[in-house]
Amino acid sequence: AQKITQTQPGMFVQEKEAVTLDCTYDTSDQSYGLFWYKQPSSGEMIFLIYQGSYDEQNATEGRYSLNFQKARKSANLVISASQLGDSAMYFCAMREGAQTGANNLFFGTGTRLTVIP
Amino acid sequence: ETGVTQTPRHLVMGMTNKKSLKCEQHLGHNAMYWYKQSAKKPLELMFVYSLEERVENNSVPSRFSPECPNSSHLFLHLHTLQPEDSALYLCASSQGLADSTDTQYFGPGTRLTVL
Repeated sequence: AQKITQTQPGMFVQEKEAVTLDCTYDTSDQSYGLFWYKQPSSGEMIFLIYQGSYDEQNATEGRYSLNFQKARKSANLVISASQLGDSAMYFCAMREGAQTGANNLFFGTGTRLTVIP
Repeated sequence: ETGVTQTPRHLVMGMTNKKSLKCEQHLGHNAMYWYKQSAKKPLELMFVYSLEERVENNSVPSRFSPECPNSSHLFLHLHTLQPEDSALYLCASSQGLADSTDTQYFGPGTRLTVL
């Protein structure tokens, strides 16, 4: 089974509107971390936001917030007031805390967001 | 200086060539990673180094050979590659491997094309 599922291959949003990118995850660990990354066409994977499984509040970073619903195993990214520069691929990732050794990040297949002027 | 740099940004090579990808991190991190990103596939972790020791090798073919001379530099040596090895190769670093909070920071990647 896939650890991270992103069901939206592509999304469109009007400039200045908010958009939600979906992410569900699969783990039996109690301790885990959830990450969102942005990948513009230049290729660099840019870290956006982190949510720990024990964090009681949803993470926020500027215009990014993470809608964390633990019981549903979902970690959706909300981008408010979209800007043209937000057009990119967005990846959800998870690291399970029970792992020893490598800091393995499991990535989803990504969602391509296009912001329309 | 940006956090994680990679050179070259683009590389075209024949199947008989030998080349190397370089990654350098300026974040004072102790762990470094190589990932492969192919079209329409999730990122694949290739190698992990912690304090210059390799801790993970995810069944990567021997035509890919990593080298970590110190905690700031990571190389990926390439030889006798196949066309299916064409992909974006991303380097990342993190403070450590300790727990689920360790965030990985990525470089801009090397776009590799094997002819």
